[in-house]
Amino acid sequence: QVHLAESGGGVVQPGTSLRLSCAASGFTLSSYAMYWVRQAPGRGLEWVAVISSSGKDRYYVDSLKGRYTISRDDSKNTLYLQMNSLRPEDTAMYFCARAPPLGAIDYWGQGTLVTVST
Amino acid sequence: IQLTQSPSSLSASAGDRVTITCRASQDINNDLAWHQQRPGKAPKLLIYGASTLQSGVPSRFSGSGSGTDFTLTINSLQPEDVAIYYCQKYHGGWTFGQGTKVEVK
Repeated sequence: QVHLAESGGGVVQPGTSLRLSCAASGFTLSSYAMYWVRQAPGRGLEWVAVISSSGKDRYYVDSLKGRYTISRDDSKNTLYLQMNSLRPEDTAMYFCARAPPLGAIDYWGQGTLVTVST
Repeated sequence: IQLTQSPSSLSASAGDRVTITCRASQDINNDLAWHQQRPGKAPKLLIYGASTLQSGVPSRFSGSGSGTDFTLTINSLQPEDVAIYYCQKYHGGWTFGQGTKVEVK
C-alpha cells in the first residue's frame, strides 16, 4: 500500500531555515519522480519542485529558485525539501507526491504545515 | 503555460450532471490530470492523460479534450463529490489551475 508521510513542519521566524521530509513506503522510491506542492491557507495548489526518478534533474517554480532545494535519499526511502530564508508568504501546507516517469501525480501525502511568523 | 478553470465555483443538485473546463494557454497535447480535494484532505488523482480514469475512481467521473481545451464531467453528482477540483499539466512544465469549488444544493 502506497504511503507518503511528511514531517518537519512547524512555526518558524522569518529568515530562518527548515527541512521537510517525506517518508515513502509501499513502493520503490527510485522508480518515481517526486514532487513538493504547497497550498497557502484558503488558496489553491502551487507546484514547488520536482526531482526525477534518477535524482539528476531538479526543477523549481521560478519564484522559489535559490531558496529551496529538493533532494532524495532512495536508500532511506525519503524525499526532502530544504527551505532557506523563509518568508511569511511561504506559510502553507506542504504536500509531497509521487509520479511515474513522464506521468501525472498519482499519490499524495497528507501534508505538513509550515507557518512563518514573528 | 497557464491553466484557467471555469467556473470558479458551482452549486448543483444531487443527481445533476456537472462540467468543469480547463483551458491551457498553449497546446499541451493530453498531458493533463484532474485532482479532487475534499475539505481538509489531501488531493486525490481522478483522471490522467486527459481522459483515463484512475483505478478506484467512480465511473461517474470522466474527462475529455486535448490540445488546449479540457473538461471534467461528473455524471449524477453525489454529496461526497463536494470538493475543489484542480486541473494540472505535467511532463515538461508543471502547473495547476486555480480550482473549481463544487457544492451540492
